[in-house]
Amino acid sequence: QKEVEQNSGPLSVPEGAIASLNCTYSDRGSQSFFWYRQYSGKSPELIMFIYSNGDKEDGRFTAQLNKASQYVSLLIRDSQPSDSATYLCAALISGGSYIPTFGRGTSLIVHP
Amino acid sequence: DAGVTQSPTHLIKTRGQQVTLRCSPKSGHDTVSWYQQALGQGPQFIFQYYEEEERQRGNFPDRFSGHQFPNYSSELNVNALLLGDSALYLCASSLAANTGELFFGEGSRLTVL
Repeated sequence: QKEVEQNSGPLSVPEGAIASLNCTYSDRGSQSFFWYRQYSGKSPELIMFIYSNGDKEDGRFTAQLNKASQYVSLLIRDSQPSDSATYLCAALISGGSYIPTFGRGTSLIVHP
Repeated sequence: DAGVTQSPTHLIKTRGQQVTLRCSPKSGHDTVSWYQQALGQGPQFIFQYYEEEERQRGNFPDRFSGHQFPNYSSELNVNALLLGDSALYLCASSLAANTGELFFGEGSRLTVL
């Protein structure tokens, strides 16, 4: 079964620190990767996507992709309490369907 | 510009009943996908509609069915409800079928007693 794996956490970091969220995937044919943020009781919101190996930066967020290691990460610099949420990793699984497959999400807590 | 809207937001049903959930996609989007999210889990893909047809389906039984209307809005129907169907049902719209760039509605929280 083609899967996306995330540590459920919670990951607790102090305000101002770098939060590092990780995700691995099983299908080597996966080509596109997405990070969604989901606040408690709310729906997921797309914050980053990455298609190529390397880093992609957007403000305080950096997505990193290593296809050889089948590893995706999201770094949040200068973490704020408002970043406290569950972060969902999703991959477009190949094999004809190209439907996003989500991990279970990592809960991030940023404490003042 | 209205985003994705879903109704109802909350509902309670008993085992064996049937439920219909509704979704209007974001303006300009013609593809609608439905996901089920159990507590503490990631969203699980149910099916996707494009041009009023079911294009893709996840690993859900036939009790789950859907429809897309000419205005791109969509319905999710679940028959013979089970306790395990209790979850947040998310509708997501997108500009294309094969994309991970999804816009989610606020969801319909279903409780089956």
